[in-house]
Amino acid sequence: GAVVSQHPSWVICKSGTSVKIECRSLDFQATTMFWYRQFPKQSLMLMATSNEGSKATYEQGVEKDKFLINHASLTLSTLTVTSAHPEDSSFYICSAIGSGRVRSYNEQFFGPGTRLTVL
Amino acid sequence: AQSVTQLDSHVSVSEGTPVLLRCNYSSSYSPSLFWYVQHPNKGLQLLLKYTSAATLVKGINGFEAEFKKSETSFHLTKPSAHMSDAAEYFCVGGLTGGGNKLTFGTGTQLKVEL
Repeated sequence: GAVVSQHPSWVICKSGTSVKIECRSLDFQATTMFWYRQFPKQSLMLMATSNEGSKATYEQGVEKDKFLINHASLTLSTLTVTSAHPEDSSFYICSAIGSGRVRSYNEQFFGPGTRLTVL
Repeated sequence: AQSVTQLDSHVSVSEGTPVLLRCNYSSSYSPSLFWYVQHPNKGLQLLLKYTSAATLVKGINGFEAEFKKSETSFHLTKPSAHMSDAAEYFCVGGLTGGGNKLTFGTGTQLKVEL
């Protein structure tokens, strides 16, 4: 149980285009989802926290107009990188906190990540 | 300030020898602590978690970690390394009481040699 999927697993796009990444909780309802960014050989950096039905909370230094987050249902959050540029190339990982019996001591369930390459 | 510190960025061991990956935390609250493993281009897999129950926590693949409040440590150990253990390991803390955010250590790259 507590599986989180991401789609796509990798994407290549041209500079200036927008890319949408989906994060789904497959077998539980996720009251809160998180989006992280990971550069090569570095740790995960929290970008934003999203709660179902409300606006995302962005970490300091993260452009909310560039990284649009929508959490429209209890099982789906999307991250849209708008007008992508090569410096946006990175590994994007989402995670989710469950509700009810799935919720446990701040444990987050992580998706497999999405590799974005902007040419 | 809340923080998680992984003391070694790289650890190299021989196959069959013990593994020790060190982690210290700083928190004003009773923490929840986790160890995750990440293989190249993959997401994070939970190895084990401490949630204020037993201080010695056993995880998957033979890993275990001991929570030591007096030393503010949560070191990860394994008696005998296997080649498949080579990966990046992250010590992660839920350090803000009732909050949901996690604090990540900077990671330790484990190399296992023949």
